[in-house]
Amino acid sequence: NAGVMQNPRHLVRRRGQEARLRCSPMKGHSHVYWYRQLPEEGLKFMVYLQKENIIDESGMPKERFSAEFPKEGPSILRIQQVVRGDSAAYFCASSPGTSNTGELFFGEGSRLTVL
Amino acid sequence: AQSVAQPEDQVNVAEGNPLTVKCTYSVSGNPYLFWYVQYPNRGLQFLLKYITGDNLVKGSYGFEAEFNKSQTSFHLKKPSALVSDSALYFCAVRDQAGGYNKLIFGAGTRLAVHP
Repeated sequence: NAGVMQNPRHLVRRRGQEARLRCSPMKGHSHVYWYRQLPEEGLKFMVYLQKENIIDESGMPKERFSAEFPKEGPSILRIQQVVRGDSAAYFCASSPGTSNTGELFFGEGSRLTVL
Repeated sequence: AQSVAQPEDQVNVAEGNPLTVKCTYSVSGNPYLFWYVQYPNRGLQFLLKYITGDNLVKGSYGFEAEFNKSQTSFHLKKPSALVSDSALYFCAVRDQAGGYNKLIFGAGTRLAVHP
């Protein structure tokens, strides 16, 4: 039973380029959460999605960042025109639904380095 | 606003000694509390949770946590530390506003267990 799969694990971009991070939730999970971890800091919530819907994007920067979770395929976090401050680890987590009181299951993360 | 605080950036313990990693919370209503562990360059692994019931919760790898409502605390404990327990530990509380599994994380505490 595969866990949450994230790719790429490491991504290097130059300033101004685009970064696309992908997340496939655990089998049977339809809810995806994205978090960002800056160096030596905790995790900050970015966005919560269900299939084809953004439910809570209160932690997303207003510009350059977007997320989607299409009916088919992985969830994607997209960062346009990256800047050095975007360098961080981006974690995806999934859960089976909203009715449970359970934990989130995290992927291994995608580490973005902006040169 | 809901939040968790981890007052210690780092905890140092000798192998074989008991360890405590502190966490206090601030929520409206009954809290759903979690502990996660992060090893270097890895994702977060779930350790244990408190939803309701016994104040002493047992989790993975011999860890346990004690929920104390009067002190609004949820400290992580282990009777005998191992060098392999050295990692970054995060306390989290479920955001009650949305009714879904959005977690709010503390800043993390680095545990160093010395031989």
